[in-house]
Amino acid sequence: EAGVAQSPRYKIIEKRQSVAFWCNPISGHATLYWYQQILGQGPKLLIQFQNNGVVDDSQLPKDRFSAERLKGVDSTLKIQPAKLEDSAVYLCASSGLAGVMSTDTQYFGPGTRLTVL
Amino acid sequence: GDSVTQMEGPVTLSEEAFLTINCTYTATGYPSLFWYVQYPGEGLQLLLKATKADDKGSNKGFEATYRKETTSFHLEKGSVQVSDSAVYFCALSEPGAGSYQLTFGKGTKLSVIP
Repeated sequence: EAGVAQSPRYKIIEKRQSVAFWCNPISGHATLYWYQQILGQGPKLLIQFQNNGVVDDSQLPKDRFSAERLKGVDSTLKIQPAKLEDSAVYLCASSGLAGVMSTDTQYFGPGTRLTVL
Repeated sequence: GDSVTQMEGPVTLSEEAFLTINCTYTATGYPSLFWYVQYPGEGLQLLLKATKADDKGSNKGFEATYRKETTSFHLEKGSVQVSDSAVYFCALSEPGAGSYQLTFGKGTKLSVIP
């Protein structure tokens, strides 16, 4: 079974530029999460989708971050414009079978390491 | 709100030494508890989990027991190997409105030397 796929693996941009990350969850998983992991810290949830709807985006800095999951499968997270403090690893995770309530076990992708100069 | 506190690292052990990484939590309800491991350059992998009090999660020689009375979920391994060198994260998940969001500790970096 294929795991959670993310791309790109690394990205370097200058502040005020825009960047987008892509995630493809495990096939059939209805719930998708985006986390931000700053160096030396644990991951922090940014947004959670259930199918193509947003369950929780309370910690997403909406003035610069946006995310979508239009067809309830893959997802894109965008930052525009980027700030220095956005340098982090962005992790995507998925869980739960479509049509079933979310389960408590999440499976993570390899992450995208963003460096903002 | 929910929170997880785990012992700060880094932790350096010799091969075959005994490992304990402490983890305590604060939650309003009855969370599920997890240990995730992150090897260098990789994403997080689920190591083990426990969903109710007194449950013991185990995998790859690692164990952790859900202690509700002390709100703890300490990770242990009897004999570590060099390949266990990684960052270990304790986390909890508390269902709310059908959502199982994870709250993580800050992570503990383990280095095992031959």
